[in-house]
Amino acid sequence: QQQVKQSPQSLIVQKGGISIINCAYENTAFDYFPWYQQFPGKGPALLIAIRPDVSEKKEGRFTISFNKSAKQFSLHIMDSQPGDSATYFCAASIDSFGNEKLTFGTGTRLTIIP
Amino acid sequence: DAGVTQSPTHLIKTRGQQVTLRCSPISGHKSVSWYQQVLGQGPQFIFQYYEKEERGRGNFPDRFSARQFPNYSSELNVNALLLGDSALYLCASSLEQASYNEQFFGPGTRLTVL
Repeated sequence: QQQVKQSPQSLIVQKGGISIINCAYENTAFDYFPWYQQFPGKGPALLIAIRPDVSEKKEGRFTISFNKSAKQFSLHIMDSQPGDSATYFCAASIDSFGNEKLTFGTGTRLTIIP
Repeated sequence: DAGVTQSPTHLIKTRGQQVTLRCSPISGHKSVSWYQQVLGQGPQFIFQYYEKEERGRGNFPDRFSARQFPNYSSELNVNALLLGDSALYLCASSLEQASYNEQFFGPGTRLTVL
């Protein structure tokens, strides 16, 4: 049962453009929503995360937009650079369970072209 | 400081064999989680250990087991290997047990079952 759905599967954006990746979740108990970046041959690395008490969080060129009523959240990468080319995963977890189980989306392969 | 380390990097086994994967967390980190990442998919949660006790278990068969040692390192064991166990196995560590604590992933162990 896939609890976090991610789209698109792949994305090509020109350098300087905005990259947008979307995720939707089913379990309303989720209360922590991180985004991970993964380069080939490496493990995922935390990029930015949000809790449901805010609708937006920005860190540098990366912004998470969160819509609790629609059960959707998205990652926006402004001024996309070739170095941003990687696979991006959204994830969700329930902190009240007292464990760190992350439920990941299926990933988006982002390619930034010159 | 060294990040999360995993060994071996790559492993080839045949069906029915057993395998042990090892993980050393970042110094000072007490929580270790294991994930399975099948090619083209997001990581799937297998186990979480905190202070040498199992604190979470994903939807994996009993062929999968793990343990955490007094120095907080961890081993993941998989018995009676199946072709479908071929995947990248990721270990993640964090300071304490809470989903909003950043989990730092290692580079993974690539397991191929023939």
